[in-house]
Amino acid sequence: QNVLTQPPSVSAAPGQRVTISCSGSSSNIGYNFVSWYQHLPGTAPKLLLYDNTKRPSGIPDRFSGSKSGTSVTLVITGLQTGDEADYYCVTWDRSLSVMLFGGGTKLTVL
Amino acid sequence: QVQLVQSGPEVKKTGASVKVSCKASGYTFIGYGISWVRQAPGQGLEWMGWISAYNGDTSYAQKVQNRVTMTTDTSTTTAYMELRSLRSDDTAVYYCARDYQTAPYFFDYWGQGSLVTVSS
Repeated sequence: QNVLTQPPSVSAAPGQRVTISCSGSSSNIGYNFVSWYQHLPGTAPKLLLYDNTKRPSGIPDRFSGSKSGTSVTLVITGLQTGDEADYYCVTWDRSLSVMLFGGGTKLTVL
Repeated sequence: QVQLVQSGPEVKKTGASVKVSCKASGYTFIGYGISWVRQAPGQGLEWMGWISAYNGDTSYAQKVQNRVTMTTDTSTTTAYMELRSLRSDDTAVYYCARDYQTAPYFFDYWGQGSLVTVSS
């Protein structure tokens, strides 16, 4: 059972907007910055967001993030078929002294 | 451009050890750390640990801390992850990723992954 809880799957049509939540606690999300990754199995994961909301160079502004208390949300707008992938939230947990990955959310673009 | 190139696939027997390498290029190696992440078949991503390429400080996940050693060779800008006493549930794709210099933080560049298969 993951300490960071994500929905197992989400889906939406091309062009639509989707949100992926990640819920934790005061010892992880409530305490530290969160990063988000896009992963197509068999390929290298890609950093989408860091420090909750910041995009690395090359990541389009269709990807955005927010944080409220012990939860964070990844928002993807203008969905494209190429966005189909698994998405993970990651942060440090100060009680467990470990970098935690959420369980991952599989995005299907219908 | 930043690149992390990992060693090839390995097949090991239960109880053996494996050492995966991660050759870094395109950036100042000692200015960053390296985290190791794995994905078992059908499972999510799991952080294994981190090493500072600057001073060799390490932080290991409790799950593997008694069996893993992470090292770096600054002369060849290569990071290594050795896992001992292999079990079948260590079968996974292992990734190295560039991380912060002083503590695990976020992973901005990743290696291509190295498949390690453990069988009896």
